[in-house]
Amino acid sequence: EPEVTQTPSHQVTQMGQEVILRCVPISNHLYFYWYRQILGQKVEFLVSFYNNEISEKSEIFDDQFSVERPDGSNFTLKIRSTKLEDSAMYFCASTSPSGTEAFFGQGTRLTVV
Amino acid sequence: DAKTTQPPSMDCAEGRAANLPCNHSTISGNEYVYWYRQIHSQGPQYIIHGLKNNETNEMASLIITEDRKSSTLILPHATLRDTAVYYCIPFNAGGTSYGKLTFGQGTILTVHP
Repeated sequence: EPEVTQTPSHQVTQMGQEVILRCVPISNHLYFYWYRQILGQKVEFLVSFYNNEISEKSEIFDDQFSVERPDGSNFTLKIRSTKLEDSAMYFCASTSPSGTEAFFGQGTRLTVV
Repeated sequence: DAKTTQPPSMDCAEGRAANLPCNHSTISGNEYVYWYRQIHSQGPQYIIHGLKNNETNEMASLIITEDRKSSTLILPHATLRDTAVYYCIPFNAGGTSYGKLTFGQGTILTVHP
């Protein structure tokens, strides 16, 4: 079964450092998303991406965040200057134009120290 | 987005049916009811969705009341691997899967031997 792949599975970074979380969506999917889940809290939408541009973003997705699809297969989330409160699980997801479900990756656990 | 109410937790014996209720009294006419689950901080996994008719797939059955104000997800023969957080999510994507999902707190289902 096709799957969404995320790397790394766990990233530890110092406060103020930049991090890039990587995702390989399912190959024929056209819509891509990032969500995050702070430990013990709800899964929260960050951003959706279609046709090489952001189609929707939440209040969480401020200027410190950016997304990119650099090479037609990878989909990345960059946090420019990490804060302690960015520590969370980050999930990538993708959907197909005619599909009925979102496929999620296994997540990257980001720990900011 | 329609608001949902789910019990915070439920227990079920292995091999028995698990019936997970969801109240979505403010659901609009074009919103589907989607169910996802999250096993131990893994990425959410799609289970089933429906508009107004009952639905069944290899994972579960979905019963939607006639007034569409509530629904019940049924896992017919729960196994230990079904222990997870179950999310009921009203979702309007014009018949496709494109769009952000708004996760609530969900129901923690614990299946015990």
